[in-house]
Amino acid sequence: DTEVTQTPKHLVMGMTNKKSLKCEQHMGHRAMYWYKQKAKKPPELMFVYSYEKLSINESVPSRFSPECPNSSLLNLHLHALQPEDSALYLCASSQKKVDEQFFGPGTRLTVL
Amino acid sequence: GESVGLHLPTLSVQEGDNSIINCAYSNSASDYFIWYKQESGKGPQFIIDIRSNMDKRQGQRVTVLLNKTVKHLSLQIAATQPGDSAVYFCAENTGGFKTIFGAGTRLFVKA
Repeated sequence: DTEVTQTPKHLVMGMTNKKSLKCEQHMGHRAMYWYKQKAKKPPELMFVYSYEKLSINESVPSRFSPECPNSSLLNLHLHALQPEDSALYLCASSQKKVDEQFFGPGTRLTVL
Repeated sequence: GESVGLHLPTLSVQEGDNSIINCAYSNSASDYFIWYKQESGKGPQFIIDIRSNMDKRQGQRVTVLLNKTVKHLSLQIAATQPGDSAVYFCAENTGGFKTIFGAGTRLFVKA
């Protein structure tokens, strides 16, 4: 299984809502990533987990809260988002640091 | 600061022709480079990579060239097909977990 899955595919939420994005991989990868991608822009790194520990936080606002419950799962908890947070949120995984990353299809988030 | 950029934001080629997508990077400490393809509605997909101790690597219909002297990376696609239409990103890594993506080039393949 060389697939990274993400749910939901689409999410619309209000600025006072709390929601979560989920990501799963069964490739035994020990590094997992969250990226944000705005339209016609490249993916921008948000968080990296290595062996279930937060390794990188790219100065992401606290309204985004990542969680890695186990080596196969990665969550992104969302609270009090702003309309400018609307974007495609991509999850990825890799076997090791300097390695190709496998991306999921993303969650298209709209904040009203 | 660090940056990875592309010379051409869009590229239009005839089906069957060869395509060349270029990328400039500014961080001389980068030692791993990757090309990703992103089709509409999908996440980026790995195409090919190259490490700084190499200047050329070939895959199936794709070749990546690395010129460290001028900090330039290129992706060559042979016999371009309609299925190659996508946005192509170069990306660089300096040895840690952080990968920086370039701006992207949209490739259109005309039938």
